[in-house]
Amino acid sequence: GAVVSQHPSRVICKSGTSVKIECRSLDFQATTMFWYRQFPKQSLMLMATSNEGSKATYEQGVEKDKFLINHASLTLSTLTVTSAHPEDSSFYICSARPRGQGESGELFFGEGSRLTVL
Amino acid sequence: GQNIDQPTEMTATEGAIVQINCTYQTSGFNGLFWYQQHAGEAPTFLSYNVLDGLEEKGRFSSFLSRSKGYSYLLLKELQMKDSASYLCAVKDSNYQLIWGAGTKLIIKP
Repeated sequence: GAVVSQHPSRVICKSGTSVKIECRSLDFQATTMFWYRQFPKQSLMLMATSNEGSKATYEQGVEKDKFLINHASLTLSTLTVTSAHPEDSSFYICSARPRGQGESGELFFGEGSRLTVL
Repeated sequence: GQNIDQPTEMTATEGAIVQINCTYQTSGFNGLFWYQQHAGEAPTFLSYNVLDGLEEKGRFSSFLSRSKGYSYLLLKELQMKDSASYLCAVKDSNYQLIWGAGTKLIIKP
């Protein structure tokens, strides 16, 4: 089956530093990747939609300068949390839609990255 | 507004059957998904319904009624490893996934 790998799975950083999270589709090409944030006992919140070779589309209320998304290739998207603060601590999850699948295609999720900002 | 409702928590006994309900009000409908999420992990796909009726896949079945805006996930022969959160998600008319908050299922021996 399709595998999406996310790295790092856990990261602890100091306030004010930047953290990069990678999302890779290991055995398929993904034209579209999605980044979510999940708070404890809450639903997944879509942050942005990342399309290969173009700028990401951010959801309302998500600061694009704070959460930088780059989708440089068909197998890699990165989320960089810039100048992280304790309120950015959360579980960040990516998902990918295989190339060639339409809008109703199944999404495959990465393992998630737990960010703790001290 | 768009809304997905599912119970916050349910408890069931190992070996039994449990039904997790999901009701939705969305702008359009292009399919409903059920995902399983263990604590601290990413969701994993369970089922996809786009037409009315029951989809069976091993111990898990999912039902959809579009006219009622209603779905349920049925888990049979419950095992301890089924303890997890179960997320209902609907694709709206823009093919955006709208997520429910999830139902935490606790399995007791």
